[in-house]
Amino acid sequence: EADIYQTPRYLVIGTGKKITLECSQTMGHDKMYWYQQDPGMELHLIHYSYGVNSTEKGDLSSESTVSRIRTEHFPLTLESARPSHTSQYLCASRLAVTDTQYFGPGTRLTVL
Amino acid sequence: GENVEQHPSTLSVQEGDSAVIKCTYSDSASNYFPWYKQELGKRPQLIIDIRSNVGEKKDQRIAVTLNKTAKHFSLHITETQPEDSAVYFCAASKGSGGSNYKLTFGKGTLLTVNP
Repeated sequence: EADIYQTPRYLVIGTGKKITLECSQTMGHDKMYWYQQDPGMELHLIHYSYGVNSTEKGDLSSESTVSRIRTEHFPLTLESARPSHTSQYLCASRLAVTDTQYFGPGTRLTVL
Repeated sequence: GENVEQHPSTLSVQEGDSAVIKCTYSDSASNYFPWYKQELGKRPQLIIDIRSNVGEKKDQRIAVTLNKTAKHFSLHITETQPEDSAVYFCAASKGSGGSNYKLTFGKGTLLTVNP
């Protein structure tokens, strides 16, 4: 089924660990986005990509990094996790010729 | 850049009543305005969208209105049901199809429909 997949769905790790949050989509979309969602609901754009080998920082400064080596895959990496990184991370994508943006199910990250 | 303000932040209604959520945007070049619904523990899902060449759009119990002059748009839900309880986000962008645009989201409205 065409969808956006995120793994893991839940992750609890200790401070200082390196982690990678996976995002893959089978919808044939070329635009992909990462959002950080507060417990208070607000969505913050932290990274986006308009295609392979294209990545940009979003509106909210983030210590994470992203890569886009394959069209369908847009992983997010934290080199050294801290408690301040505790949040929900949502991946999204859309097709270039449309405006409709679809979200993945999210990864809830807790850093102890 | 674009700034989207959303009000109210919380809204509680009785089942069967109507609910209205309002958003304003700052960039007059914005031309695409989607609304997303996020149920507890779920992903945001698009429920309706409107483009700047249209003043109103309806889909069953939900409708969106756009006032380009005032730069505001609203979501209207009629005959609310408990399953309408969720967080609703408005958004705005200058995109049109292939352009490299970003959605700017409002801060969200927590709607509670009381049985």
